[in-house]
Amino acid sequence: GAGVSQTPSNKVTEKGKYVELRCDPISGHTALYWYRQSLGQGPEFLIYFQGTGAADDSGLPNDRFFAVRPEGSVSTLKIQRTERGDSAVYLCASSAGQGPGELFFGEGSRLTVL
Amino acid sequence: AQSVAQPEDQVNVAEGNPLTVKCTYSVSGNPYLFWYVQYPNRGLQFLLKYITGDNLVKGSYGFEAEFNKSQTSFHLKKPSALVSDSALYFCAVRDYQGSARQLTFGSGTQLTVLP
Repeated sequence: GAGVSQTPSNKVTEKGKYVELRCDPISGHTALYWYRQSLGQGPEFLIYFQGTGAADDSGLPNDRFFAVRPEGSVSTLKIQRTERGDSAVYLCASSAGQGPGELFFGEGSRLTVL
Repeated sequence: AQSVAQPEDQVNVAEGNPLTVKCTYSVSGNPYLFWYVQYPNRGLQFLLKYITGDNLVKGSYGFEAEFNKSQTSFHLKKPSALVSDSALYFCAVRDYQGSARQLTFGSGTQLTVLP
């Protein structure tokens, strides 16, 4: 597709369950970012991939959060033992490389933990 | 460390009047600066960026922003506001001399243009 695609658009789960969120970046974009946006706040950085490797995972809040990008394209954000405080919109973005180019965002996956 | 402040949670302006949405930043080196807009239940859309060169940057939908290094500001402006400009606006920064490649976002400013 032409833009960044995220699935599912909405996910409702129960506390303690495991969740996977998928991001399909713009074709050819080597850099991929995950952000989390809570209501009324700006996007908060989680993790950055350059190619297949996680170049910076300093934003992951704890070890329940993990992300992979095994072939350097699609990425999956994984959340174990979900908590109510994990409820937020998870945004994925991609960019063409390591330079100062803008990030292109998907429409996000809204996670609600009951 | 890099950070952004958007001092106004809410800006109201009448249609046809000029608008300004304020942003100040903090980086240890020199900044790359960005503005994004977010409509309800949508992702962020890029408006404009400052990398180097002319301090006045022109972007999408008639928006522009002025980089002021001495005031560490990057305010978003538009000469004549439209009702359709009503949305949430985010300023973002990256320190190009730092190791971080991600953008750091402000908390956002809700712009309402009144007909």
